[in-house]
Amino acid sequence: SAVISQKPSRDICQRGTSLTIQCQVDSQVTMMFWYRQQPGQSLTLIATANQGSEATYESGFVIDKFPISRPNLTFSTLTVSNMSPEDSSIYLCSATPGTGGLDGENIQYFGAGTRLSVL
Amino acid sequence: DQQVKQNSPSLSVQEGRISILNCDYTNSMFDYFLWYKKYPAEGPTFLISISSIKDKNEDGRFTVFLNKSAKHLSLHIVPSQPGDSAVYFCAASEFRNYQLIWGAGTKLIIKP
Repeated sequence: SAVISQKPSRDICQRGTSLTIQCQVDSQVTMMFWYRQQPGQSLTLIATANQGSEATYESGFVIDKFPISRPNLTFSTLTVSNMSPEDSSIYLCSATPGTGGLDGENIQYFGAGTRLSVL
Repeated sequence: DQQVKQNSPSLSVQEGRISILNCDYTNSMFDYFLWYKKYPAEGPTFLISISSIKDKNEDGRFTVFLNKSAKHLSLHIVPSQPGDSAVYFCAASEFRNYQLIWGAGTKLIIKP
């Protein structure tokens, strides 16, 4: 398994500003992911954070709005840029240890999330 | 196109009884299935998983059943306890694909 530490746990931000969320894993992991969860809804994948290369973004999410870094195998950041009230959500970091699903087992472990409110 | 469906937004069960949460999927390429539990203000916690080569996996009070022909899986919790009150998510992945496809979640309420 993997223990994920995510910070900040919550923040209230002004429109037009940016917030960087940090995600630290207690061991080296193959894959790291960033999700968004709107109230009462399921998890939506924003992007996969690739170590040493650019993140892979899902449809509807772009690098200019959600720049991601992954400088090593245990750490990643997600920045929410030029925020608007529509960005108010819970942002979650997850990680997959081992072979990242190549052996069939594909368990993701999650941080506690960052609850973001944009005024 | 919703590939993983949890059709019950909520479920209420008496403490001590069995809770059954259901999940249907449409993609026949899915071969690994997971259940997560989520409390408010926390991230999802992995509960139990099952590979498509099995039809049942058990871990303590939690059992997951997989019916591949019906593209249906269920999570049984026996006996249900107050601490089981949470939102339960079903997720699925294809072989050698690290992405998980998530259901909408079912809110389980255990009544004392």
